[in-house]
Amino acid sequence: EVQLLESGGGLVQPGGSLRLSCAASGFTFSSYAMSWVRQAPAKGLEWVSAISISGSSTYYADSVKGRFTISRDNSKNTLYLQMNSLRAEDTAVYYCTKEGIAATGTEWFDPWGQGTLVTVSS
Amino acid sequence: AIQMTQSPSSLSASVGDRVTISCRASQGIRNDLGWYQQKPGKAPKLLIYAASTLQGGVPSRFSGSGSGTDFTLTISSLQPEDFATYYCLQDYNYPWMFGQGTKVEIK
Repeated sequence: EVQLLESGGGLVQPGGSLRLSCAASGFTFSSYAMSWVRQAPAKGLEWVSAISISGSSTYYADSVKGRFTISRDNSKNTLYLQMNSLRAEDTAVYYCTKEGIAATGTEWFDPWGQGTLVTVSS
Repeated sequence: AIQMTQSPSSLSASVGDRVTISCRASQGIRNDLGWYQQKPGKAPKLLIYAASTLQGGVPSRFSGSGSGTDFTLTISSLQPEDFATYYCLQDYNYPWMFGQGTKVEIK
């Protein structure tokens, strides 16, 4: 069974840093691109960042570019999100998700982890 | 960035109703669109990818259609477990963008 388990969330002051982790199991982690998606309280979903299979290519939403860094350790089957210069508007549940891809290039998110809550507040 | 406009933002329907949710992209995205269902306090779940391909294990009452800029998610006969919020997502190019969501409530 594919499982994704996020950790590292918590309360942090504005301007602070936090590193999220996502432990993957049940599939060959090194064969799949991965993403982070977040959801602010009572708001919709927002794609945050993606990383390629090898980690050589990374992508970010404009809202986090320059502040967040996605990375992966294929030897540990773990995905990371380093979040710096945190703002109140970064408060959200952060989900990690495995990307699927078809031969046509279309992609999707399945499955998703249970999420970890990040609260940015003084 | 490609913007995704989803409508309606909410709807009320009864069990057995046919429900249609629309998603419009600000530019053509081929069929690079997925639909996700989210229930309160839970992670989203993939329903459809590539605009019309049903994910394994998803009931056949769910269907998707469209290509280019206009897409539709249809629930042919609404069931009690379908009351949830639905999101479209374009994966044509980065930054990937979700629609604003459609909350399906019980009438």
